Amino acid sequence: EAQVTQNPRYLITVTGKKLTVTCSQNMNHEYMSWYRQDPGLGLRQIYYSMNVEVTDKGDVPEGYKVSRKEKRNFPLILESPSPNQTSLYFCASSLRGQGTTDTQYFGPGTRLTVL
Amino acid sequence: AQSVSQHNHHVILSEAASLELGCNYSYGGTVNLFWYVQYPGQHLQLLLKYFSGDPLVKGIKGFEAEFIKSKFSFNLRKPSVQWSDTAEYFCAVNTYNQGGKLIFGQGTELSVKP
Repeated sequence: EAQVTQNPRYLITVTGKKLTVTCSQNMNHEYMSWYRQDPGLGLRQIYYSMNVEVTDKGDVPEGYKVSRKEKRNFPLILESPSPNQTSLYFCASSLRGQGTTDTQYFGPGTRLTVL
Repeated sequence: AQSVSQHNHHVILSEAASLELGCNYSYGGTVNLFWYVQYPGQHLQLLLKYFSGDPLVKGIKGFEAEFIKSKFSFNLRKPSVQWSDTAEYFCAVNTYNQGGKLIFGQGTELSVKP
């Protein structure tokens, strides 16, 4: 089944404790992206990747890192999480990059709480 | 900067009522337009998209949307809603400048009463 998977689905952590949220897609998509969803703000892009070893900042990249060593994986890293990073995070992928008509497929989401 | 605005934050309807959710974007160039739906506890799914051709686009589950270029609008419609349509709906746009970023509206929560 074609899908985007994320782990973990739920995470409660404390300020400053490094964490990684994994994202994997099995559709051989070139483009992958991370969003955060906050009430009243919709989804905002954190980082995106046009292909392996190519990443770039989205609208709200502060406090986050990403890497794209393999085509299928795009982990999101929070080196020192803070309470304002409490949010619902979605990974997404599409066949090609931005500016195309390609549909972005979303993962199930990771609900992160930083105490 | 480009932006997407959804006028209604929360809409409550009874089953069989007609639905129209507003979406306006601010960008004068070529755009691709999308409506996504997020059912409770689930991830976002594409309802429909428009990039060229007939401005009236039909999507899944009986939804349709009309692109009106002069109004910078892409409103979502459904003639008769069902309880199962209860969800949050997001309008999104991508453009060809600044990397063609996918920009989302704030979302509209739809509650359908049985």
